[in-house]
Amino acid sequence: GNSVTQMEGPVTLSEEAFLTINCTYTATGYPSLFWYVQYPGEGLQLLLKATKADDKGSNKGFEATYRKETTSFHLEKGSVQVSDSAVYFCALRKAGNQGGKLIFGQGTELSVKP
Amino acid sequence: EADIYQTPRYLVIGTGKKITLECSQTMGHDKMYWYQQDPGMELHLIHYSYGVNSTEKGDLSSESTVSRIRTEHFPLTLESARPSHTSQYLCASSEPGRDNEQFFGPGTRLTVL
Repeated sequence: GNSVTQMEGPVTLSEEAFLTINCTYTATGYPSLFWYVQYPGEGLQLLLKATKADDKGSNKGFEATYRKETTSFHLEKGSVQVSDSAVYFCALRKAGNQGGKLIFGQGTELSVKP
Repeated sequence: EADIYQTPRYLVIGTGKKITLECSQTMGHDKMYWYQQDPGMELHLIHYSYGVNSTEKGDLSSESTVSRIRTEHFPLTLESARPSHTSQYLCASSEPGRDNEQFFGPGTRLTVL
């Protein structure tokens, strides 16, 4: 079936360090891929998305490239800030799914220290 | 700016009580969703709706029920709360279209004693 697997957290980094959060997926066809972020005490917000192979989503300094050959959508940021501390969720929407249902990974908690 | 609201934000209640978690959105979205979020953070879809009078069970079985009488309102009800229902409940909505994002409310943290 369809599934999303993320690297386990928590991830702890110093400010200005490089961030990678790995995400791999299992799906038939060509799903759309998303990264959502959840700040403490809040709901999820869309961070970026990619809808087809080799697309790169980017927002707020974060990037992720849809790699069909490796079924991956790793999240990267060149220089993290304390304000980036949050939980990050990778998600997919199945190809042909008109209902809009998302399948989420288990989330990766990021903690950035000054 | 997303306009999706959930009340209450926090609820502590005794076993056996009936509770309703409210979710409202002012964006006119047809599609709405309820997720249950584990203490370990994983999200599971428990209910969704494609429009008025349309409700479906999600991927995770839940003893809760939902209704969709108005486009903007998607309440979730537990007839008899139990400690196993303790969790965070997140509501979301989206516009039609394959790649349209889901907008999330702030969540309701439910504790059943």
